[in-house]
Amino acid sequence: SQQGEEDPQALSIQEGENATMNCSYKTSINNLQWYRQNSGRGLVHLILIRSNEREKHSGRLRVTLDTSKKSSSLLITASRAADTASYFCATGLNNAGNMLTFGGGTRLMVKP
Amino acid sequence: KAGVTQTPRYLIKTRGQQVTLSCSPISGHRSVSWYQQTPGQGLQFLFEYFSETQRNKGNFPGRFSGRQFSNSRSEMNVSTLELGDSALYLCASRLAVSTDTQYFGPGTRLTVL
Repeated sequence: SQQGEEDPQALSIQEGENATMNCSYKTSINNLQWYRQNSGRGLVHLILIRSNEREKHSGRLRVTLDTSKKSSSLLITASRAADTASYFCATGLNNAGNMLTFGGGTRLMVKP
Repeated sequence: KAGVTQTPRYLIKTRGQQVTLSCSPISGHRSVSWYQQTPGQGLQFLFEYFSETQRNKGNFPGRFSGRQFSNSRSEMNVSTLELGDSALYLCASRLAVSTDTQYFGPGTRLTVL
């Protein structure tokens, strides 16, 4: 079963716009990670945020974490056509050997 | 450094057969995890190996097994294949069990006919 749920399931925007994806999870976590996947290929690690952090930035990416609401968001600013992909959040659970539990993903399409 | 490599990239099998997939982690990484990705169930954890020992196992039947060699390379085996085993099988490596970030390979696309 999936720990997290992404919202929306699909998002279509124009190049240059910002894209925001949300992730909710159910149990307490050690960390939350965001991954990108292009067309059924491997997952690319984007960013990791630990449970004691509230916000992290990496280039055009901004991730927030609200442990009280058990939710996270990924913001991609000034999107590009190359950002078209599926985005997954994955939680690392406490005392779970660091296995990742993935959400269902958000399919992002950025139109040129 | 070379990334995580998986072989083969594509595989077609028939029901009842068995299959072995291979994963070579990033050089120096000692932990290897396997995940199954299907349209219906999404990404699900299969198992993790570290220093040739299985450290964690997901909720999959015993037909799914794996092992890790002394050079950290890992194999997973699926016996008595079922149609529902058709999936993308992803391998991920990390430096150690205390390291959170996992790096994924390109996956092996298994089709069971």
